[in-house]
Amino acid sequence: AQKITQTQPGMFVQEKEAVTLDCTYDTSDQSYGLFWYKQPSSGEMIFLIYQGSYDEQNATEGRYSLNFQKARKSANLVISASQLGDSAMYFCAMREAFGNEKLTFGTGTRLTIIP
Amino acid sequence: KAGVTQTPRYLIKTRGQQVTLSCSPISGHRSVSWYQQTPGQGLQFLFEYFSETQRNKGNFPGRFSGRQFSNSRSEMNVSTLELGDSALYLCASSLTTGTGIRNEQFFGPGTRLTVL
Repeated sequence: AQKITQTQPGMFVQEKEAVTLDCTYDTSDQSYGLFWYKQPSSGEMIFLIYQGSYDEQNATEGRYSLNFQKARKSANLVISASQLGDSAMYFCAMREAFGNEKLTFGTGTRLTIIP
Repeated sequence: KAGVTQTPRYLIKTRGQQVTLSCSPISGHRSVSWYQQTPGQGLQFLFEYFSETQRNKGNFPGRFSGRQFSNSRSEMNVSTLELGDSALYLCASSLTTGTGIRNEQFFGPGTRLTVL
């Protein structure tokens, strides 16, 4: 069974600093996708970045990058130059292949940016 | 392009009642998934519908059911509500082509259900 582990329940970071949110996963599948979502207090899940298991390069989307280490089964999210608007819950999620839309989520990390 | 919409946004029910939540996916999206989010259990997958067929189901009792219409709109129903059903129910749609794992899921704002 798939499992996502986020070991940081909460983090406090100074504005403009970079922050790394940890995510490790467990799966027996060779083909899978890893996602990061942001959930502000409003509740809506906002897609941030995606990494495929066969992607050779780490994914980047603006200030977001993913530090993908396949052998260690980790997919850490790096946010550069943090902003006050980055304060939110962040979830790592995984999906297996072949027409299965089911996402398995981690428990999340609450990030608070300090001015 | 309009995003995923969910109605109602907030709902208060009493134990034993039943409730129906609605989700309208992004235009052109044929897959709709439902998730339950609670402080204790986190985000859990309920079920996914694709072309009016339930394609995958999570580990929830039969009181939780859903359906999808020909226009891809989806509803989920919870019968005989229990206190533990209080949660944020999130709907997500994706432009699935069948086997892609890159298909991004776009989430709606959720329906917050409170069971008294």
